[in-house]
Amino acid sequence: DQQVKQNSPSLSVQEGRISILNCDYTNSMFDYFLWYKKYPAEGPTFLISISSIKDKNEDGRFTVFLNKSAKHLSLHIVPSQPGDSAVYFCAASGVGGSNYKLTFGKGTLLTVNP
Amino acid sequence: EAQVTQNPRYLITVTGKKLTVTCSQNMNHEYMSWYRQDPGLGLRQIYYSMNVEVTDKGDVPEGYKVSRKEKRNFPLILESPSPNQTSLYFCASSFLTSSSPLHFGNGTRLTVT
Repeated sequence: DQQVKQNSPSLSVQEGRISILNCDYTNSMFDYFLWYKKYPAEGPTFLISISSIKDKNEDGRFTVFLNKSAKHLSLHIVPSQPGDSAVYFCAASGVGGSNYKLTFGKGTLLTVNP
Repeated sequence: EAQVTQNPRYLITVTGKKLTVTCSQNMNHEYMSWYRQDPGLGLRQIYYSMNVEVTDKGDVPEGYKVSRKEKRNFPLILESPSPNQTSLYFCASSFLTSSSPLHFGNGTRLTVT
């Protein structure tokens, strides 16, 4: 049973436009959510996170929105750049932000076209 | 440079031949973990360790062993590899403090024939 779902395997956007990556979760015990970015031949790198006590967190061009009632979060990238092309993983933790029970989604491949 | 180092990057082996994938971090992290990435399945946790001599199973531990004799090292051991363990493996580490992000190694691509 998949507890963290990224239903779009891929997404293609034009440079300068907004990229919106979505993630749904089923476990109401999750209270901390993260996004990781992965380039080919590299390990994932941390991008941005949000605690369940917030509904929005912003870091430069990246904003994560959390809708607890819908068990849904999204990552907005504005403006999108070709260097943002990567696989994005959504992850969730149910232990107050601790990593040791981190559950990942399957990932979404974002392609930003020049 | 702060990093998580995995070796080897690529490994081809045969069924039943014991192998070890090493992982070392230089950030004094208490927490270390192993993941495997498979097409259509994302990242799944194999084992994790919260400190020296403390290890626990993740979601897919069958067929794997780990040890944590030193803080910096967390090797992944496949005693008798099988073809279904062909995968891309990632080691990761972090501090135990809340919200400390995971730092990942660059991966080990294992093929078992």
